[in-house]
Amino acid sequence: DAGVIQSPRHEVTEMGQEVTLRCKPISGHNSLFWYRQTMMRGLELLIYFNNNVPIDDSGMPEDRFSAKMPNASFSTLKIQPSEPRDSAVYFCASRTGQGHPPGELFFGEGSRLTVL
Amino acid sequence: DQQVKQNSPSLSVQEGRISILNCDYTNSMFDYFLWYKKYPAEGPTFLISISSIKDKNEDGRFTVFLNKSAKHLSLHIVPSQPGDSAVYFCAAARSGYALNFGKGTSLLVTP
Repeated sequence: DAGVIQSPRHEVTEMGQEVTLRCKPISGHNSLFWYRQTMMRGLELLIYFNNNVPIDDSGMPEDRFSAKMPNASFSTLKIQPSEPRDSAVYFCASRTGQGHPPGELFFGEGSRLTVL
Repeated sequence: DQQVKQNSPSLSVQEGRISILNCDYTNSMFDYFLWYKKYPAEGPTFLISISSIKDKNEDGRFTVFLNKSAKHLSLHIVPSQPGDSAVYFCAAARSGYALNFGKGTSLLVTP
């Protein structure tokens, strides 16, 4: 079975440019999460969706960040304009609403973003 | 503010010995706790979990202990193997909510 698929795996861009990260969750999973990993803050939640609806976006750093989930099989995280401090690894994860443990997430391999 | 804290950024253990990774949390509403393992250039993968109604869960070489009164959990790996070298993330959540992760502990198991 295919896991969570993220693209691109690596992105190098210049400050001020728009960055779009993409995620395809595991089929049948109805919750999708975007996390960011940095040395200073570890894995921090940016936003999560249940049944394509954003539930908690309190972790989104500022208005430069936006996320969408137009359907059950696709989500994007957009940064516009990007800044050097946005450099991090961005992970997408998904899970089902049922099952035990309810918290088990399946992560993609991450998108490493470098903003110069 | 971090609700899940892993105060040891790194740990080095000899092969065959026990590895003990610690985690503290602040939110008494958390009702389940998980450990994830992460290798370089890969996403975290689920390792083991425990619900708040238990104080111990064991899976092979991995055991998680939960002390609710102290808001503390630990992961024991016995015996440690070189392939266990990875970053370990502690996570906690309330049912139906997103996981809160710690900063991770980098474990190195030396031959």
